Amino acid sequence: GAVVSQHPSRVICKSGTSVKIECRSLDFQATTMFWYRQFPKQSLMLMATSNEGSKATYEQGVEKDKFLINHASLTLSTLTVTSAHPEDSSFYICSALDSQSYEQYFGPGTRLTVT
Amino acid sequence: GENVEQHPSTLSVQEGDSAVIKCTYSDSASNYFPWYKQELGKRPQLIIDIRSNVGEKKDQRIAVTLNKTAKHFSLHITETQPEDSAVYFCAASPNQGGKLIFGQGTELSVKP
Repeated sequence: GAVVSQHPSRVICKSGTSVKIECRSLDFQATTMFWYRQFPKQSLMLMATSNEGSKATYEQGVEKDKFLINHASLTLSTLTVTSAHPEDSSFYICSALDSQSYEQYFGPGTRLTVT
Repeated sequence: GENVEQHPSTLSVQEGDSAVIKCTYSDSASNYFPWYKQELGKRPQLIIDIRSNVGEKKDQRIAVTLNKTAKHFSLHITETQPEDSAVYFCAASPNQGGKLIFGQGTELSVKP
């Protein structure tokens, strides 16, 4: 099956610093990727839709200047959490949409801890 | 926008029994309804999905039913096994390939 990777799998950073998370589709092209955030024992909350070559579409309540998304190629989208604070600590999961089959595949997630 | 409600939040069954999880959605434009299984710390795994032109779909021990008029859909797991224990999420989307709006999740525990 299709594979989506995320890097890093875990990251600990200090408050005020920025962290970049990568999402890659390894064996298919993805013009669209999605970024979700999941707090412990909660559901996946869609943050934004990342479109290759254009600006991301953010969900209501998600600060676009804080969560920077770049989708520069058909296989890579990045999420940068800027000026991270402890309340940003969460599990961030991406998904990639196979442009041929329209199947959506999830990455393994990135555990972010802000101290 | 779309809102998806999922019940129950926790469900405990004996091995071999059936488990049913129910979801309702608000946006009548939604026409794609996947179900995911997520184990602790892992990515969600698609287990079954249904489109709005179908009322029921079955895959071995798993089935999904959809009532588009009432805007609700359900997951049925028969002959449950301990390895079915996980958190299950329903989701709705205006089309396959569109953004997914998830339900709150159901923690299923299957006791041996």
